[in-house]
Amino acid sequence: QVHLEESGPGLVKPSETLSLTCTISGGSIGTYYWTWVRQPPGEGLEWIGSVFYNGYTYYNPSLKSRVSISIDTSKAQFALKLRSVTAADTALYYCTRAFCSDTGNCWRLEHWGRGALVTVSS
Amino acid sequence: DIVMTQSPLSLPVTPGEPASISCRSSQSLVHSNGVTFLDWYLQRPGQSPQLLIYFNSSRAPGVPDRFSGSGSGTDFTLKISRVEAEDVGIYYCMQGLQTPWTFGQGTKVEIK
Repeated sequence: QVHLEESGPGLVKPSETLSLTCTISGGSIGTYYWTWVRQPPGEGLEWIGSVFYNGYTYYNPSLKSRVSISIDTSKAQFALKLRSVTAADTALYYCTRAFCSDTGNCWRLEHWGRGALVTVSS
Repeated sequence: DIVMTQSPLSLPVTPGEPASISCRSSQSLVHSNGVTFLDWYLQRPGQSPQLLIYFNSSRAPGVPDRFSGSGSGTDFTLKISRVEAEDVGIYYCMQGLQTPWTFGQGTKVEIK
């Protein structure tokens, strides 16, 4: 059974960089797009971006100037970095797995992690 | 961006009775290959979202057959044939036709 687990600091200062890692276990890394989704407290879901096993990425244009997602297949991990954070970036950050075509159509987000709460505050 | 609009935003339900949630997209979610890129997710209280339906009407593995997805173009519906207590939570539709993938605002389902 595929299992995803987020890890990283729970508190980040404004203007600094948020860094999270998702560790994949119980399944293969190829074929899928490894994805970050966030949820501000009491709000809905926002797709951040996704990375293929070969490093190819899709990003949400609203965050593209500040975000980078990378993958380390040898460690079965993928990572999120979000620069210049503000209080608006306070959220529960989920990692999950998606199927995508080579034209950017994606579906079936499965095997969500439990989420990592990141608070941006001085 | 494709805007996803759900209704209602709150849905009190009676166990054993049917329920339905509507999702409307600002443009068609049908790809030129005929596939409809519309998913449904359920987030139970205190839990991560889980996939219920993908490609508009395909149930994810392990999802009970009381859940069904239907619709076409820009109008979609998630139906629960007979609500059970474990079905409470927030339901989201999501389009994966084009980036950025976008979610509806969510529909909160609770027992009357």
